[in-house]
Amino acid sequence: EPEVTQTPSHQVTQMGQEVILRCVPISNHLYFYWYRQILGQKVEFLVSFYNNEISEKSEIFDDQFSVERPDGSNFTLKIRSTKLEDSAMYFCASSAVLVTYEQYFGPGTRLTVT
Amino acid sequence: ILNVEQSPQSLHVQEGDSTNFTCSFPSSNFYALHWYRWETAKSPEALFVMTLNGDEKKKGRISATLNTKEGYSYLYIKGSQPEDSATYLCARYMDSNYQLIWGAGTKLIIKP
Repeated sequence: EPEVTQTPSHQVTQMGQEVILRCVPISNHLYFYWYRQILGQKVEFLVSFYNNEISEKSEIFDDQFSVERPDGSNFTLKIRSTKLEDSAMYFCASSAVLVTYEQYFGPGTRLTVT
Repeated sequence: ILNVEQSPQSLHVQEGDSTNFTCSFPSSNFYALHWYRWETAKSPEALFVMTLNGDEKKKGRISATLNTKEGYSYLYIKGSQPEDSATYLCARYMDSNYQLIWGAGTKLIIKP
C-alpha cells in the first residue's frame, strides 16, 4: 500500500540553524500539507501546496518557513533560522483531492531545537 | 464555539463495551469534517470525511454521524477491542479558507 514517508525521523539542531525536513508524498496525489504538533498541544496546520505553489498558509507559516517540491517527488519544509519554540513533531500529508478527501500522513519528524 | 472541541479528553472503556465521543465545531461556513485515528508512534490514519448534514459513515465497528446545523459529530465504536486504543482526532474545514482546524483529540484506552 502506498505511504507517505518522511526523513529524518528525529532532527536535533541548534537555535539559529537552518533545517530542511523532507517528505515523499504518495505519487499520484496532488495536494501536499505540513502540520506540526508541539508537545501537549493540538495539531496545527502550517501550509498546503498544489500545482507547485502554496495554496493556503496559516499565521504560523511566516517568512522563516518555506516549502518546495524540487524534483516532482520530494516535498520539503525549510525553517531558515530555528527558534526554541519550533521544537515540535512535523507531519507531512498528501491527498488526491483538496478538502473532501482524506489525507494520508507520514510518520513525522521530531525536531528538537537546543 | 470558535474552535474545534473534543470530549471527553480521555476515556477508559472495558473490552467488549461500546462507546462514543464528540467533536464540536463552529457551524458557520462549514465545508467538511475529518476524523482520524492516531496510534502512538504511528501516523494519523483517516477514518472518515463527512460533508453533508445528516451524513452517517461506517467502517467496520466504527461509525460517525454529522450535524452541521448544530455543529457536532459523534464517533461510535461498537464492541471495543484492544486495538481500538488510540487518540481519535477530528478536524474541520471552513469554506472561507482551506485549512484543517484540529481538535485536541479523545484518547481512548481499552481495558482487557
